[in-house]
Amino acid sequence: GQQVMQIPQYQHVQEGEDFTTYCNSSTTLSNIQWYKQRPGGHPVFLIQLVKSGEVKKQKRLTFQFGEAKKNSSLHITATQTTDVGTYFCAFSGSARQLTFGSGTQLTVLP
Amino acid sequence: DGGITQSPKYLFRKEGQNVTLSCEQNLNHDAMYWYRQDPGQGLRLIYYSQIVNDFQKGDIAEGYSVSREKKESFPLTVTSAQKNPTAFYLCASSIREGAGTDTQYFGPGTRLTVL
Repeated sequence: GQQVMQIPQYQHVQEGEDFTTYCNSSTTLSNIQWYKQRPGGHPVFLIQLVKSGEVKKQKRLTFQFGEAKKNSSLHITATQTTDVGTYFCAFSGSARQLTFGSGTQLTVLP
Repeated sequence: DGGITQSPKYLFRKEGQNVTLSCEQNLNHDAMYWYRQDPGQGLRLIYYSQIVNDFQKGDIAEGYSVSREKKESFPLTVTSAQKNPTAFYLCASSIREGAGTDTQYFGPGTRLTVL
């Protein structure tokens, strides 16, 4: 079945530095969603992208969906300690279930 | 308050025992899901249900069973047939929101440790 590869698996940044995680698929995706999971917590929905080339912003977070709808990225500008957590991309199939990427674990050093 | 509740938060069981994890939602969502998460790993789908009295196997259903007798409830039983049951179990529910896609809302999870 369809899968997504997410890179990097781990990222350590100094507070104030930027951070980017990438989600790549070998096949065209109908949509992509992004979730954040704080340490010890549960995933929380951040955003959904549906259109080719779509870009959405949430404060310091910028989400992109590639023109071919095969890749997506999440960029955080000027990271803060509150950004710590694991970021997952996911896409939904025809039966409403989500397939998740393996996640990128972000550590922000103060 | 609307939301998804899972109980208990931590659960310990002896090897060979079946255990049932609770998941309740009052969001009036049709679809519900169970995921398993291992340390440093992503989420893997165990079972999902799109409607009452119906459910489908996910990617790792072996050793697990579910029921969906009520819209609000989707309990998961971890049976003794599951080889490595120790994990973090997450329940989610969803509603279709435009463009034919679902947004999933997760419960707080249950950490199961089998001794």
